[in-house]
Order: sequence, then C-alpha cells, then structure tokens
Amino acid sequence: NAGVTQTPKFRVLKTGQSMTLLCAQDMNHEYMYWYRQDPGMGLRLIHYSVGEGTTAKGEVPDGYNVSRLKKQNFLLGLESAAPSQTSVYFCASSSRWGGLNTEAFFGQGTRLTVV
Amino acid sequence: KNEVEQSPQNLTAQEGEFITINCSYSVGISALHWLQQHPGGGIVSLFMLSSGKKKHGRLIATINIQEKHSSLHITASHPRDSAVYICHTGTASKLTFGTGTRLQVTL
Repeated sequence: NAGVTQTPKFRVLKTGQSMTLLCAQDMNHEYMYWYRQDPGMGLRLIHYSVGEGTTAKGEVPDGYNVSRLKKQNFLLGLESAAPSQTSVYFCASSSRWGGLNTEAFFGQGTRLTVV
Repeated sequence: KNEVEQSPQNLTAQEGEFITINCSYSVGISALHWLQQHPGGGIVSLFMLSSGKKKHGRLIATINIQEKHSSLHITASHPRDSAVYICHTGTASKLTFGTGTRLQVTL
C-alpha cells in the first residue's frame, strides 16, 4: 500500500537554487497539505489544497508555491531557496477537511538543506 | 507560548515501564490527535479522540475536554516504542501541533 509518497527524500540546495517537491497519494483524498517541521517547533502548515486545481496559503507560505493540477499530486516549489528553508517537509492528505474529525495520512518526509 | 504544550520534551524509560506523555491545549477543540514519528521520519496517526478514552494494543489515550488536557499512556514499553509522539488539535482552518515528546526505551 503506497499511501502518501514524497520525492525526493533528501536534497541539498545552494542558496538561490530552485526545486520542486512532489507528493503523491493513491487514496483518492480531496485534501492535501504541505508542512514543515523545525527543531523546537511543531509542524507548521505551508500551503494546502481542498481539491484539484485549488490551493490556499497556510501559516508560513512565504517563499513557497504549490500546484494541484491532478487530484493525486500536490507539488511544493521553492523558487529561490534560502537557508531559512532548511527543514523537514511533510506532505499529508485526508478525505475530509478540518483534520480534527478525520485522519490525516503523512508521507515519509523530505529533508532539505540549503547551504 | 504555543497553544499546544507537551510534556515532557524528552523521556527515557527502561523496557517494561509504564509511560505517560501529556498534552495541554489552550484553544477550544472538538478533537485531538496523537501522532507517532519514528526515527526514520515517517509519521503515523495513532489516535483521534474527542472524549473519554481509546485503547489500541498497549497504547491508551485519554482526553478531558473541560480541563483541556490529554494523555498518551504506553503499558509494558518496548524499545520499538522509541519515537517522537506529537499531539495536535486546533480549528478547521488552523491545526496546531505540539513540539513532540521524544521517547527512548532501553533494554
């Protein structure tokens, strides 16, 4: 069972470089989310999507863009990477919005280092 | 101050010990989740609860909505329980995560 798959798992970028993180889910979930996890802080929502073709800003959206061209895929882009974006990124999906009354499924995470 | 506070931040236990991890929150909620993050980084949902108690194997989660407090208990702990445990709650538009409790169970 694949569930939620993130690629790549690790990446090192130079300041100013761009990259795209891919999240794919095979559960036909409507809702998808991108979080970042930093030491001493809880997971923080970057962007989310409530359906194909729609995206919205979360708590910490600056420096990131997203796209949901297909229901099963949610892409997170960094146009010009900065050291402050060094973090572990998690993608998640759920069948219903809200997260509280529904279970979210998480990917394995992407460890990104910007030097 | 984080709206969701977990304690302790770090916990070391010997195999077989009974473990309790606490989560206090300041926002009004309808449900709270407990997540488990293994050393490899993957996150798994353990419990979603809105009242009372839930049990799954050696794991027990309780919540007191009036006191805004939840606990995760592990009975007969085992080294494979070593992980970071995260509680999260919030509203429909904003989920708030605790910073996690790192548990290490030794032989």
